[in-house]
Amino acid sequence: QLQLQESGPGLVKPSETLSLTCTVSGASINSGSSYWGWIRQPPGKGLEWIGAIYYTGTPYYNPSLKSRVTISVDTSKNQFSLKLSSVTAADTAVYYCATHGFSGLRPNFDYWGQGTLVTVSS
Amino acid sequence: QSALTQPASVSGSPGQSITISCTGTSSDIGSYNYVSWFQQHPGKAPQLMIYDVSNRPSGVSNRFSGSKSGNTASLTISGLQAEDEADYFCASYTSRNSVVFGGGTKLTVL
Repeated sequence: QLQLQESGPGLVKPSETLSLTCTVSGASINSGSSYWGWIRQPPGKGLEWIGAIYYTGTPYYNPSLKSRVTISVDTSKNQFSLKLSSVTAADTAVYYCATHGFSGLRPNFDYWGQGTLVTVSS
Repeated sequence: QSALTQPASVSGSPGQSITISCTGTSSDIGSYNYVSWFQQHPGKAPQLMIYDVSNRPSGVSNRFSGSKSGNTASLTISGLQAEDEADYFCASYTSRNSVVFGGGTKLTVL
């Protein structure tokens, strides 16, 4: 059974860089069968796609966040990571990692992590 | 990119049917049959209910169905049950090689 688990600091200071890692178990990122994505949800609000990465290291970003986002993959650890720079209070959200469901970049997110709340505050 | 447009809330009585709309543009819903729907209960991660406009993942009740016309996709839930009360989000692939979500719809079962 495929499982994803987010990890990283729950509190980040304004203007600093948010860093999260998603550890995948039950499947190999190297298999090339899926794209691996990040999605966030501010408290009480809707979902926002941040971006995704393929095992080759090719990233895809939300055009609205592209200037501040870096997504990378470490196939040796079966992990992929998110960095979001110059954060503000508006970046406070639950951050989820999810699979694109073995269908390219289609939004068929069939496996999700439990989500991790990241608060931006001094 | 702008979020897809969904009604903020819908409601229905047990046993009834409801439909949630999701309106996009010719750059997303209108150009691709890559629309998904998600159900989210409070404090939980979203769950995929419909993918590729009208396909149900294994284990999802056949009371859930999806369709699309032009730039608008729709989710229909028939035979409403109390457990269907949740937030519902649509999502579409876009011409910018990205994904856009709808703002979400709160379903209340009266």
